Amino acid sequence: EAGVVQSPRYKIIEKKQPVAFWCNPISGHNTLYWYRQNLGQGPELLIRYENEEAVDDSQLPKDRFSAERLKGVDSTLKIQPAELGDSAVYLCASSSTLSWADTQYFGPGTRLTVL
Amino acid sequence: ELKVEQNPLFLSMQEGKNYTIYCNYSTTSDRLYWYRQDPGKSLESLFVLLSNGAVKQEGRLMASLDTKARLSTLHITAAVHDLSATYFCAVDADSNYQLIWGAGTKLIIKP
Repeated sequence: EAGVVQSPRYKIIEKKQPVAFWCNPISGHNTLYWYRQNLGQGPELLIRYENEEAVDDSQLPKDRFSAERLKGVDSTLKIQPAELGDSAVYLCASSSTLSWADTQYFGPGTRLTVL
Repeated sequence: ELKVEQNPLFLSMQEGKNYTIYCNYSTTSDRLYWYRQDPGKSLESLFVLLSNGAVKQEGRLMASLDTKARLSTLHITAAVHDLSATYFCAVDADSNYQLIWGAGTKLIIKP
């Protein structure tokens, strides 16, 4: 079974530029999460989708961050414009109500560096 | 507000030794997860603990949960170098699938 796929793996941009991250969850997983992980810290939830609906986006900085999950499968997270403080690893995870204890499975992440 | 605290945050130990990582959380919870993260890699699920007194074991790792004390432990037996990684605990406080994560314990096992 293929895992969670993310691209790109690495991205370096200058501040004020836009950037987008893509995630393909495990087949059949209806719940998708975007997290941000700063160096030396645990992940912080940005947004959670149930199918195509964003059911928890309370931690998403909506002035510059946006996300979408068209057709309830793939998802894109966008930052526009990027700031220096956005440098972090952006993780996508997915889960299913059919998976054991709703365990979240993580992708490899996208490491963003804002110069 | 739910808080999750891990200790120690950093642990350096010799191969063959035993040690325990602690995870304390501040409100009631019915789910606790342990994950492993290797440098530059993503998070790998290790254990899910769902009830008071739950104990799970995989190889040299054993996790337990005491919901009354709001404490989970991850015990390492006869450590080997391959277990070097950062270990995170995460708690789902309201069964709403929002996990609150500890800061992680960076474990270095020296040959």
